[in-house]
Amino acid sequence: KAGVTQTPRYLIKTRGQQVTLSCSPISGHRSVSWYQQTPGQGLQFLFEYFSETQRNKGNFPGRFSGRQFSNSRSEMNVSTLELGDSALYLCASSLGYGGDNEQFFGPGTRLTVL
Amino acid sequence: SQQGEEDPQALSIQEGENATMNCSYKTSINNLQWYRQNSGRGLVHLILIRSNEREKHSGRLRVTLDTSKKSSSLLITASRAADTASYFCATDDDSGAGSYQLTFGKGTKLSVIP
Repeated sequence: KAGVTQTPRYLIKTRGQQVTLSCSPISGHRSVSWYQQTPGQGLQFLFEYFSETQRNKGNFPGRFSGRQFSNSRSEMNVSTLELGDSALYLCASSLGYGGDNEQFFGPGTRLTVL
Repeated sequence: SQQGEEDPQALSIQEGENATMNCSYKTSINNLQWYRQNSGRGLVHLILIRSNEREKHSGRLRVTLDTSKKSSSLLITASRAADTASYFCATDDDSGAGSYQLTFGKGTKLSVIP
């Protein structure tokens, strides 16, 4: 089985721009979660989607949004980028949703905001 | 918010030695997971231990859970240079909506010197 894929792998944007990141889960997985990883804050949960519905949302401003498509692929969007949004964005898929499911992570998208 | 806190933050050992990492958490949990991350890459699931389990083994890994102390430990025996990575514990965090999300600690950076 192919693993979780994320595109693009690297991205450079300037403040005020918006960005869309894409995640393709493992075939058969219906849950996709997104995380932001920074040296200062560590891994922080953004949101989780299951069957096209957002099931959980972390403590991030409304500039961060996401969606999931009928084929379970997911996108996250960040609008009005700020310098502090520079981070590694990780996507993870699992069979079900919730904390008792093993999550399979993609390689991440490294976003740099200048 | 950070649920799990790993200790130590960094650990350096010689190849062949055992490595022990600890994780403490604040609220009650249903399960606890350990993940490994090689530099700047996605996370890899190592092991999941449920709240009614006290110990679990997987190859050279041994995980213990003490719910009375709200702590867990990860032991890697006979370490190898390839074990060099950051190790994270993750707990299911009741988000209050009847479903759960994973909350990660800041990790222990393990260096195994050949």
